[in-house]
Amino acid sequence: AQKITQTQPGMFVQEKEAVTLDCTYDTSDPSYGLFWYKQPSSGEMIFLIYQGSYDQQNATEGRYSLNFQKARKSANLVISASQLGDSAMYFCAMRRTGGFKTIFGAGTRLFVKA
Amino acid sequence: DGGITQSPKYLFRKEGQNVTLSCEQNLNHDAMYWYRQDPGQGLRLIYYSQIVNDFQKGDIAEGYSVSREKKESFPLTVTSAQKNPTAFYLCASSTTGTGNNQPQHFGDGTRLSIL
Repeated sequence: AQKITQTQPGMFVQEKEAVTLDCTYDTSDPSYGLFWYKQPSSGEMIFLIYQGSYDQQNATEGRYSLNFQKARKSANLVISASQLGDSAMYFCAMRRTGGFKTIFGAGTRLFVKA
Repeated sequence: DGGITQSPKYLFRKEGQNVTLSCEQNLNHDAMYWYRQDPGQGLRLIYYSQIVNDFQKGDIAEGYSVSREKKESFPLTVTSAQKNPTAFYLCASSTTGTGNNQPQHFGDGTRLSIL
Protein backbone atom coordinates (compact mmCIF):
# COMPACT_ATOMS: atom_id res chain seq x y z
CA ALA A 1 0.00 0.00 0.00
CA GLN A 2 1.08 3.54 -0.63
CA LYS A 3 1.80 5.89 2.23
CA ILE A 4 3.01 9.47 2.63
CA THR A 5 4.59 10.68 5.87
CA GLN A 6 5.13 14.32 6.79
CA THR A 7 6.73 14.40 10.22
CA GLN A 8 6.72 18.17 10.80
CA PRO A 9 3.28 19.37 11.97
CA GLY A 10 4.53 22.96 12.08
CA MET A 11 7.57 24.91 10.95
CA PHE A 12 8.76 28.47 11.50
CA VAL A 13 11.07 30.34 9.13
CA GLN A 14 12.34 33.89 9.04
CA GLU A 15 11.36 35.94 6.03
CA LYS A 16 13.93 35.73 3.20
CA GLU A 17 15.46 32.52 4.54
CA ALA A 18 15.16 29.05 2.97
CA VAL A 19 13.14 26.24 4.51
CA THR A 20 12.89 22.50 3.87
CA LEU A 21 9.65 20.59 4.38
CA ASP A 22 10.11 16.87 4.78
CA CYS A 23 8.24 14.12 2.97
CA THR A 24 8.90 10.39 2.93
CA TYR A 25 6.85 7.88 1.02
CA ASP A 26 6.33 4.18 0.66
CA THR A 27 5.22 2.39 -2.48
CA SER A 28 5.85 -0.84 -4.35
CA ASP A 29 5.00 0.71 -7.73
CA PRO A 30 8.02 1.13 -10.00
CA SER A 31 6.67 4.27 -11.63
CA TYR A 32 4.98 7.06 -9.72
CA GLY A 33 4.72 10.79 -9.39
CA LEU A 34 5.24 13.00 -6.37
CA PHE A 35 3.41 16.30 -5.93
CA TRP A 36 3.49 19.21 -3.53
CA TYR A 37 0.45 21.40 -2.93
CA LYS A 38 0.00 24.60 -0.94
CA GLN A 39 -3.20 25.31 0.97
CA PRO A 40 -3.61 28.90 2.22
CA SER A 41 -6.07 29.67 4.99
CA SER A 42 -8.73 30.34 2.36
CA GLY A 43 -8.77 26.61 1.63
CA GLU A 44 -7.97 26.14 -2.04
CA MET A 45 -5.25 23.66 -3.00
CA ILE A 46 -2.53 25.11 -5.23
CA PHE A 47 -0.22 22.80 -7.17
CA LEU A 48 3.44 23.74 -6.67
CA ILE A 49 5.78 21.16 -8.13
CA TYR A 50 5.97 17.63 -9.56
CA GLN A 51 8.70 14.96 -9.61
CA GLY A 52 8.51 11.74 -11.61
CA SER A 53 10.14 8.65 -10.17
CA TYR A 54 12.31 8.22 -13.26
CA ASP A 55 13.30 11.87 -13.58
CA GLN A 56 17.07 12.19 -13.37
CA GLN A 57 17.11 15.76 -12.15
CA ASN A 58 15.40 17.36 -9.19
CA ALA A 59 12.39 19.44 -10.18
CA THR A 60 12.44 23.21 -9.79
CA GLU A 61 9.70 25.82 -10.19
CA GLY A 62 10.75 29.34 -9.35
CA ARG A 63 11.48 29.49 -5.61
CA TYR A 64 10.38 25.88 -5.15
CA SER A 65 12.67 22.90 -5.62
CA LEU A 66 12.22 19.26 -4.79
CA ASN A 67 15.08 17.35 -3.18
CA PHE A 68 14.35 13.86 -4.50
CA GLN A 69 16.28 10.96 -3.01
CA LYS A 70 14.77 7.84 -4.53
CA ALA A 71 16.79 5.29 -2.57
CA ARG A 72 15.71 6.92 0.69
CA LYS A 73 12.15 7.40 -0.59
CA SER A 74 12.18 11.03 0.28
CA ALA A 75 10.86 14.05 -1.63
CA ASN A 76 11.52 17.16 0.43
CA LEU A 77 10.26 20.57 -0.69
CA VAL A 78 12.72 23.45 -0.47
CA ILE A 79 11.37 27.00 -0.51
CA SER A 80 14.05 29.61 -1.05
CA ALA A 81 13.80 33.25 0.03
CA SER A 82 10.62 32.76 2.08
CA GLN A 83 7.91 35.38 1.82
CA LEU A 84 5.08 36.22 4.22
CA GLY A 85 2.65 34.88 1.63
CA ASP A 86 4.24 31.45 1.92
CA SER A 87 2.54 30.95 5.28
CA ALA A 88 0.17 28.06 4.60
CA MET A 89 -0.32 24.30 4.89
CA TYR A 90 1.84 22.23 2.56
CA PHE A 91 0.89 18.74 1.44
CA CYS A 92 3.04 16.07 -0.15
CA ALA A 93 1.18 13.62 -2.37
CA MET A 94 1.85 10.59 -4.56
CA ARG A 95 0.10 8.78 -7.40
CA ARG A 96 1.03 5.67 -9.32
CA THR A 97 1.76 6.52 -12.93
CA GLY A 98 -1.47 6.15 -14.90
CA GLY A 99 -3.45 5.64 -11.73
CA PHE A 100 -6.35 7.66 -10.36
CA LYS A 101 -5.92 7.63 -6.62
CA THR A 102 -3.66 10.27 -5.13
CA ILE A 103 -2.43 9.72 -1.57
CA PHE A 104 -1.87 12.80 0.58
CA GLY A 105 0.24 13.29 3.66
CA ALA A 106 -1.09 14.97 6.80
CA GLY A 107 0.57 18.24 5.89
CA THR A 108 3.02 20.72 7.41
CA ARG A 109 1.92 24.19 8.52
CA LEU A 110 4.54 26.79 7.65
CA PHE A 111 4.73 30.11 9.46
CA VAL A 112 6.88 32.83 7.94
CA LYS A 113 8.01 35.48 10.44
CA ALA A 114 8.68 39.08 9.47
CA ASP B 1 -10.48 31.09 -17.56
CA GLY B 2 -10.72 27.35 -17.06
CA GLY B 3 -11.25 26.02 -13.61
CA ILE B 4 -13.39 24.21 -11.07
CA THR B 5 -16.35 25.84 -9.37
CA GLN B 6 -17.73 24.53 -6.13
CA SER B 7 -20.92 25.78 -4.55
CA PRO B 8 -22.00 26.76 -2.06
CA LYS B 9 -18.98 28.00 -0.15
CA TYR B 10 -20.72 27.37 3.18
CA LEU B 11 -23.51 24.87 3.84
CA PHE B 12 -25.46 23.94 6.93
CA ARG B 13 -27.23 20.64 7.41
CA LYS B 14 -30.01 19.77 9.80
CA GLU B 15 -30.22 16.36 11.42
CA GLY B 16 -31.71 13.77 9.08
CA GLN B 17 -31.29 15.94 6.01
CA ASN B 18 -29.51 15.14 2.76
CA VAL B 19 -27.50 17.94 1.19
CA THR B 20 -25.84 18.18 -2.21
CA LEU B 21 -22.54 19.89 -2.96
CA SER B 22 -22.02 21.10 -6.50
CA CYS B 23 -18.83 20.75 -8.54
CA GLU B 24 -18.49 21.97 -12.13
CA GLN B 25 -15.34 22.04 -14.28
CA ASN B 26 -14.62 23.55 -17.69
CA LEU B 27 -11.15 22.07 -18.08
CA ASN B 28 -12.38 19.20 -20.28
CA HIS B 29 -10.94 16.73 -17.77
CA ASP B 30 -12.19 13.16 -17.79
CA ALA B 31 -11.49 12.37 -14.13
CA MET B 32 -13.13 14.05 -11.16
CA TYR B 33 -12.71 13.49 -7.43
CA TRP B 34 -14.25 14.36 -4.07
CA TYR B 35 -12.13 14.71 -0.95
CA ARG B 36 -12.94 15.33 2.68
CA GLN B 37 -10.59 17.33 4.89
CA ASP B 38 -10.94 17.46 8.67
CA PRO B 39 -9.18 20.20 10.72
CA GLY B 40 -5.41 19.83 10.74
CA GLN B 41 -5.52 16.74 8.56
CA GLY B 42 -4.80 15.70 5.01
CA LEU B 43 -7.27 14.86 2.28
CA ARG B 44 -9.23 11.62 2.21
CA LEU B 45 -10.82 10.35 -0.98
CA ILE B 46 -14.59 9.90 -0.93
CA TYR B 47 -15.43 9.04 -4.55
CA TYR B 48 -13.83 9.40 -7.95
CA SER B 49 -14.98 9.15 -11.53
CA GLN B 50 -12.81 8.31 -14.49
CA ILE B 51 -15.46 8.90 -17.13
CA VAL B 52 -19.08 9.91 -17.54
CA ASN B 53 -21.61 7.47 -16.05
CA ASP B 54 -18.93 5.67 -14.07
CA PHE B 55 -17.60 6.23 -10.55
CA GLN B 56 -15.79 4.30 -7.83
CA LYS B 57 -15.76 4.44 -4.05
CA GLY B 58 -12.75 5.92 -2.38
CA ASP B 59 -11.52 5.30 1.14
CA ILE B 60 -14.45 6.86 3.04
CA ALA B 61 -17.53 6.50 0.80
CA GLU B 62 -20.03 5.46 3.50
CA GLY B 63 -22.78 8.03 3.92
CA TYR B 64 -22.05 9.73 0.60
CA SER B 65 -23.33 9.34 -2.95
CA VAL B 66 -22.35 10.82 -6.30
CA SER B 67 -23.47 10.94 -9.92
CA ARG B 68 -21.63 11.69 -13.15
CA GLU B 69 -24.22 12.35 -15.84
CA LYS B 70 -22.16 15.02 -17.58
CA LYS B 71 -18.43 15.36 -18.08
CA GLU B 72 -18.46 18.80 -16.50
CA SER B 73 -20.39 17.95 -13.36
CA PHE B 74 -19.79 15.68 -10.36
CA PRO B 75 -22.19 16.50 -7.49
CA LEU B 76 -21.73 14.97 -4.05
CA THR B 77 -24.69 14.18 -1.78
CA VAL B 78 -24.04 13.92 1.93
CA THR B 79 -26.81 11.67 3.20
CA SER B 80 -28.32 11.41 6.65
CA ALA B 81 -26.36 8.18 7.05
CA GLN B 82 -23.15 10.23 7.36
CA LYS B 83 -23.17 10.82 11.10
CA ASN B 84 -20.23 13.21 11.24
CA PRO B 85 -20.45 15.34 8.11
CA THR B 86 -18.86 18.50 9.48
CA ALA B 87 -15.75 19.00 7.33
CA PHE B 88 -14.24 20.86 4.41
CA TYR B 89 -15.03 19.23 1.05
CA LEU B 90 -12.80 19.65 -1.98
CA CYS B 91 -13.57 18.70 -5.55
CA ALA B 92 -10.77 18.08 -8.05
CA SER B 93 -10.28 17.06 -11.65
CA SER B 94 -7.43 15.76 -13.79
CA THR B 95 -6.57 14.39 -17.20
CA THR B 96 -6.29 10.64 -17.63
CA GLY B 97 -4.34 8.10 -19.64
CA THR B 98 -1.44 5.71 -19.41
CA GLY B 99 1.66 7.51 -18.26
CA ASN B 100 -0.36 10.47 -17.04
CA ASN B 101 1.23 12.30 -14.17
CA GLN B 102 -0.58 15.57 -14.38
CA PRO B 103 -1.54 17.25 -11.10
CA GLN B 104 -5.11 17.54 -9.93
CA HIS B 105 -6.84 20.89 -10.16
CA PHE B 106 -8.96 21.83 -7.16
CA GLY B 107 -11.98 23.96 -6.48
CA ASP B 108 -12.16 26.42 -3.60
CA GLY B 109 -14.05 23.98 -1.38
CA THR B 110 -17.33 23.82 0.53
CA ARG B 111 -17.44 24.04 4.30
CA LEU B 112 -20.27 21.90 5.68
CA SER B 113 -21.52 22.23 9.24
CA ILE B 114 -24.25 20.58 11.30
CA LEU B 115 -26.97 22.81 12.74
